Amino acid sequence: DGGITQSPKYLFRKEGQNVTLSCEQNLNHDAMYWYRQDPGQGLRLIYYSQIVNDFQKGDIAEGYSVSREKKESFPLTVTSAQKNPTAFYLCASSIAPSGLNEQFFGPGTRLTVL
Amino acid sequence: QKEVEQDPGPLSVPEGAIVSLNCTYSNSAFQYFMWYRQYSRKGPELLMYTYSSGNKEDGRFTAQVDKSSKYISLFIRDSQPSDSATYLCAMRTPRDSGSARQLTFGSGTQLTVLP
Repeated sequence: DGGITQSPKYLFRKEGQNVTLSCEQNLNHDAMYWYRQDPGQGLRLIYYSQIVNDFQKGDIAEGYSVSREKKESFPLTVTSAQKNPTAFYLCASSIAPSGLNEQFFGPGTRLTVL
Repeated sequence: QKEVEQDPGPLSVPEGAIVSLNCTYSNSAFQYFMWYRQYSRKGPELLMYTYSSGNKEDGRFTAQVDKSSKYISLFIRDSQPSDSATYLCAMRTPRDSGSARQLTFGSGTQLTVLP
């Protein structure tokens, strides 16, 4: 059963802590993406990766870090430098670079800072 | 000014109504246009896509692109309560451009279809 999994579904963080969100895909997609979704602001791109061991900053990368050591995995770390991390985080993947570049999304992780 | 503008709603309609969802954009280089549907607390799923201007129909859904006006629409006929979701438009430039790998999303329109 192919797809994208994200864990955990809900995550609570104390101020000053780093947390890592997991994203795994078994679609054999080359490209993976992290988005942040806030009410009324749609999806904003944090980081994306076209290939293993390579990634690029998106529009709002400050306070976040990623790694791409394996094709199927693209974890996102929300660092203490991110001033307003409470949001819904979505991971996506696509066959890239080609054509439509349809992105398939995971179920999301809701992060709350206490 | 945002590159893609979308009326956030919320939009509430009775079952069976025709729904019109719209996005405007400012970047004339956009050529691929998509509509995603997102149910509450879930990830978005691709509903329809079009390339350049014109109409595309899929069952009760019709996607329309007017590049001259920089305006795209999604029409839902005979709307059902199961259509209740947030609808996001997304678009991107041709694959040989520098930003080809990125999608630009609208903010989403929340739709409720009342039984």
